[in-house]
Amino acid sequence: QSVLTQPPSASGTPGQRVIISCSGSSSNIGSNYVCWYQQFPGTAPKLLIFGSNDRPSGVPDRFSGSKSATSASLAISGLRSEDEADYYCAAWDDSLSGWVFGGGTKLTVL
Amino acid sequence: QVQLQESGPGVVKPSGTLSLTCTVSGASVDYYYWTWVRQPPGKGLEWIGFTYHNGEPNYNPSLKSRVTISLDTSRKRLSLRLTSVSSADTAVYYCARDRGGDAKGYFDLWGRGALVVVSS
Repeated sequence: QSVLTQPPSASGTPGQRVIISCSGSSSNIGSNYVCWYQQFPGTAPKLLIFGSNDRPSGVPDRFSGSKSATSASLAISGLRSEDEADYYCAAWDDSLSGWVFGGGTKLTVL
Repeated sequence: QVQLQESGPGVVKPSGTLSLTCTVSGASVDYYYWTWVRQPPGKGLEWIGFTYHNGEPNYNPSLKSRVTISLDTSRKRLSLRLTSVSSADTAVYYCARDRGGDAKGYFDLWGRGALVVVSS
């Protein structure tokens, strides 16, 4: 069981805006930044969001992150078929002095 | 272009020791944290631990008694050693660069991963 909680699945149609949630606690999301990773089947995860709402160069601005209290969200606007992937949130946990991940959300583009 | 490449045995016997190496090319290993993350088949990601040149490693408490992570800066190689393995340790093991090693960090570069199966 993952320390951070994500819905196992999400879906949307092309062009829609989809939001994936990530719930934690005061020792992780509540006091630290959140990262988001995108993973396609059979490949390594790729950094999508860091610092809760910053994008590495090369990541489209259709992807955005936000955080409030002990929860975080990843929003994908203008959904495309190539966005179909697994998405993971992560945060530093002060109690564990280490990184914790969400269980992942499988995004399906209908 | 910075690249990370994991290597090691694909099969380890139960109760044996899993050993993997991650070779870094295209960049120095100094001044960065280097981490291991694993992913059991069909499941989510789990942070194993990280190390830093001239620094003490930091491990996931759930694995701390069995894991050792080390960094050979001259060879630019990151190593993972996991003892007393069981089927629960079957996973794809990734090495990654951590830009902070603390709450401000993030994993910006990843290797392609190495599948390790624990089986007799």
